[in-house]
Amino acid sequence: NAGVTQTPKFQVLKTGQSMTLQCAQDMNHNSMYWYRQDPGMGLRLIYYSASEGTTDKGEVPNGYNVSRLNKREFSLRLESAAPSQTSVYFCASSGGGGTGSPLHFGNGTRLTVT
Amino acid sequence: DQQVKQNSPSLSVQEGRISILNCDYTNSMFDYFLWYKKYPAEGPTFLISISSIKDKNEDGRFTVFLNKSAKHLSLHIVPSQPGDSAVYFCALEETSGSRLTFGEGTQLTVNP
Repeated sequence: NAGVTQTPKFQVLKTGQSMTLQCAQDMNHNSMYWYRQDPGMGLRLIYYSASEGTTDKGEVPNGYNVSRLNKREFSLRLESAAPSQTSVYFCASSGGGGTGSPLHFGNGTRLTVT
Repeated sequence: DQQVKQNSPSLSVQEGRISILNCDYTNSMFDYFLWYKKYPAEGPTFLISISSIKDKNEDGRFTVFLNKSAKHLSLHIVPSQPGDSAVYFCALEETSGSRLTFGEGTQLTVNP
């Protein structure tokens, strides 16, 4: 069972470069999420997609864009990377909100912006 | 303002003893309360949850307690084992059901 797969695992960018983080889930989940984890700040929601065809901003959306390509895939794009975006990024999926159904996380992408 | 706070960045306990991790929140718009465990270089994994209509939920060595009047959530692990050493996050699901809000995390170290 692959669960949630994120690529790449590591990435180093220079300020101003762009990149797309890929995420795919094989659990037929409706909802998908992108979080970032920074020391002492827990996980903060960047964007989420409650269902295929919809996306919404989370707590820290500035500097990011997302695409829910289909039910399986949810990508996160940095158009012009900044050092403040150095972080570990986690993609997650769940069966749907309102029922306490847990999120299933990928193993993360560690991004460094120099 | 941080809506969910885990005030202890770290906790160290001896193997076999009880570990108690705490989480406080500031408003009442949450319906479900979850705990996740995270090992280094891995994503968080779900551990246990409780709905707002209950005050206790137990699963093996793990028990979650909810005190709605105090807006306080705790996770008890007993007996603690070295393999429990990890970062623990509390996460609260809003009434709208659209997303989780996480605490900052507590690093638990269980010493043999």
